Amino acid sequence: NAGVTQTPKFQVLKTGQSMTLQCAQDMNHEYMSWYRQDPGMGLRLIHYSVGAGITDQGEVPNGYNVSRSTTEDFPLRLLSAAPSQTSVYFCASSYSSSGSGQPQHFGDGTRLSIL
Amino acid sequence: SQQGEEDPQALSIQEGENATMNCSYKTSINNLQWYRQNSGRGLVHLILIRSNEREKHSGRLRVTLDTSKKSSSLLITASRAADTASYFCATDLSDTGRRALTFGSGTRLQVQP
Repeated sequence: NAGVTQTPKFQVLKTGQSMTLQCAQDMNHEYMSWYRQDPGMGLRLIHYSVGAGITDQGEVPNGYNVSRSTTEDFPLRLLSAAPSQTSVYFCASSYSSSGSGQPQHFGDGTRLSIL
Repeated sequence: SQQGEEDPQALSIQEGENATMNCSYKTSINNLQWYRQNSGRGLVHLILIRSNEREKHSGRLRVTLDTSKKSSSLLITASRAADTASYFCATDLSDTGRRALTFGSGTRLQVQP
């Protein structure tokens, strides 16, 4: 039982490149989400999903796309990387599709640098 | 904007002492959660307190919630060096359609051996 697995752990991109951050969970959780963590700002929600085929925007969705074709996977795509997207990205999941009243299980993050 | 704000931003104590961290929030909540983050790792859930609860315990952790003051506190008793981490409160808002937690900016706790 691996929990929430994020790949890669580190990535360096050039401005304008695109890439996909992978997130997979093996707990059969309905709810999955992506956050970014910047120094001194806590975590900010990018996108979330309450089940396969259903996604919604969070606080800072611009420049990112998501899809949820299976319960297990929730990839985050950077369309055209910008230096402002340099951050640590966390994926989280929880059992409840409402995202409410349930602890979130976090991956260990992807550290992304945009040059 | 941050819904939850922790106070203090940083705290340094000696092993064996108690550590108290506070969280204030702005709007009505369904529940409030506390998380710990060790350096270079993801967040780990510590405790959840619902809006109709006032106090909750888990091992050396004690959480209080005062909905009238829109504030919560996390007390770690008899701290250990292994408690060194950042601690975040996260609020589950009751008056928005967004089904997600909103995190504060955290308190960095350093426990000196």
